[in-house]
Formats: sequence, structure tokens, C-alpha cells
Amino acid sequence: SQKIEQNSEALNIQEGKTATLTCNYTNYSPAYLQWYRQDPGRGPVFLLLIRENEKEKRKERLKVTFDTTLKQSLFHITASQPADSATYLCALSYSSASKIIFGSGTRLSIRP
Amino acid sequence: DAGVIQSPRHEVTEMGQEVTLRCKPISGHNSLFWYRQTMMRGLELLIYFNNNVPIDDSGMPEDRFSAKMPNASFSTLKIQPSEPRDSAVYFCASSFGQGADKNIQYFGAGTRLSVL
Repeated sequence: SQKIEQNSEALNIQEGKTATLTCNYTNYSPAYLQWYRQDPGRGPVFLLLIRENEKEKRKERLKVTFDTTLKQSLFHITASQPADSATYLCALSYSSASKIIFGSGTRLSIRP
Repeated sequence: DAGVIQSPRHEVTEMGQEVTLRCKPISGHNSLFWYRQTMMRGLELLIYFNNNVPIDDSGMPEDRFSAKMPNASFSTLKIQPSEPRDSAVYFCASSFGQGADKNIQYFGAGTRLSVL
């Protein structure tokens, strides 16, 4: 069965630096890969979606890359701020009508 | 739109009691998902519906769990009888269900269940 690994449980970086989170998967590549943000006591919130034929997607300070050869996605937050502190989840789906599978998440902390 | 609405937000019950969690998806969405989240196992899909029909319930842990979607605007997840190991946060999510961007899921605030 498909396995998703997010690089670490927790990542601590200093404000202003670029945060880079990793999502690796096994087996065959998904059609779509998504990133969600989850704050304590709340449900996940969608951030970005990238398709298997796309290399990179950007939205404001966020950038996602998708490398089907490495079976990996990288999620970058540039000019990080303490308000970016949250848990970030990657999620895969294999068709537009299928369920999505979530990774276990990386807890990001940005210190002032 | 108010988003996905779940009730109750918190539920505390005793082992053996029946628990019913409720969800109202976003109007116009045709797919609905129930998840369970724990520290140990992360976010697990329990069951999902397309157009009110259950499509995949392979994540439902036991016969004690059941879910229904009687119409497009309401779904329930029932646990009977409840056990302490069912303690978790239960999320409901909805999506358009078709097309790449429509695969995006919108989550409710969750129900925190504690079974004593």
C-alpha cells in the first residue's frame, strides 16, 4: 500500500529564514499532491495543489515542487513569520474522484 | 457559506454508550469524508460518500462504527458501543468530488470525543 513520509515530526527555524518541508512517497506517483495547514484545535486548511505534470507551484510566500523521479515534494515558506507556525500535512490522490491519503505532518515552529 | 459544520464540538461519554457525531457539508459539494485523528495514527480516512452513496468504508475500524448520509446536507457517524480507544478528534470534510481542483477538501472544526 502507499506510504507517505514527512521528513520530521518537528522543525524549528528562525523568523525570516526559508522553511523547507519534505514529503516522500512510495510506489506509483499520484495524480495530485496537496499541502494543508493545521492549527491546534482546528481542521486542516488547503494551501496548494500540484499535478503530476507540474514541476512547481507558487502562491505568495509559498512554493511547492513535485519530483516524480525522486518521489518527493518539497514545500517552502520564504521569509517565514511566527504566524506560519503550525502543522503542515501533505496529501496524495490518484484521480480527481478518489480519496486522498494524508501524511502524518510536520510541526513547524518559527521563533522570533 | 459557513463552511463544514460539525456537532457537537466536544463529547464526553462513558464506555458502552452510543455516540452520534453530525456533519453538514458545504452546499453544492457532492463528496463527504469522515476522518479520525490521533497522535499515534495521524489523520485516518474512515469512510467517504459520493452523491450520498458510501464509496469506500475500508477505514471503518469495526462493526461498532457506522455512517449514514440520508441527504446531501447531512451525515452522521455513530459508534455503538463506544470504547476508550475510540477517543480521538473526528473530522468531517467535503469536496466537489470531480476535477483536480474539486478534489480539494474543506474540513470542519472537528468533534473531540473522550470515552471514559
